[in-house]
Amino acid sequence: DAKTTQPPSMDCAEGRAANLPCNHSTISGNEYVYWYRQIHSQGPQYIIHGLKNNETNEMASLIITEDRKSSTLILPHATLRDTAVYYCIVRVAPFSIIQGAQKLVFGQGTRLTINP
Amino acid sequence: DADVTQTPRNRITKTGKRIMLECSQTKGHDRMYWYRQDPGLGLRLIYYSFDVKDINKGEISDGYSVSRQAQAKFSLSLESAIPNQTALYFCATSDLRRDYGYTFGSGTRLTVV
Repeated sequence: DAKTTQPPSMDCAEGRAANLPCNHSTISGNEYVYWYRQIHSQGPQYIIHGLKNNETNEMASLIITEDRKSSTLILPHATLRDTAVYYCIVRVAPFSIIQGAQKLVFGQGTRLTINP
Repeated sequence: DADVTQTPRNRITKTGKRIMLECSQTKGHDRMYWYRQDPGLGLRLIYYSFDVKDINKGEISDGYSVSRQAQAKFSLSLESAIPNQTALYFCATSDLRRDYGYTFGSGTRLTVV
């Protein structure tokens, strides 16, 4: 799986959009970008994933650059409850049956603090 | 009720003791995983299972063993606990057919003294 690079920490004001960057310059064609978050020692929570098109759901938007070497997770109106560690993960196609293909490999993530 | 349930939530045990952490799920997922988390190290994969007859080692399996008793149950054992196994342990599930992400349990905080 490709390696990802994220800033260790970020701050954002409540009510503003939080934009979390992720670099994955070695991503290959069959690898997806996944985002998870972990709120204070709770189990990680799935947010969103995508291959090459931008994606949006009720939690967030995912913007993937055209060359797929980086992406940005956008929380459009951050609240205090969005304070968490956010993990960007790259891995092979979700429906792959290759042995081990569905392993999630977590890096250090970005600690996002939402300030009142 | 939670989709993925881990028991116990907290446990303190002595060095050398055998301990089992249990995980059960109601999501009907075929794939289950055990991770451990240490401060500053993120989550690391211990073992994973793609179905009842399939068990695979992760990146840090030494000192651990697992049992997939049924599709819904996946247990992690520490045969002889040591202090550096003190960590937060998470069970997770996923589904090959509808992979919209993993579902994690709430974690077991294990302390080995």
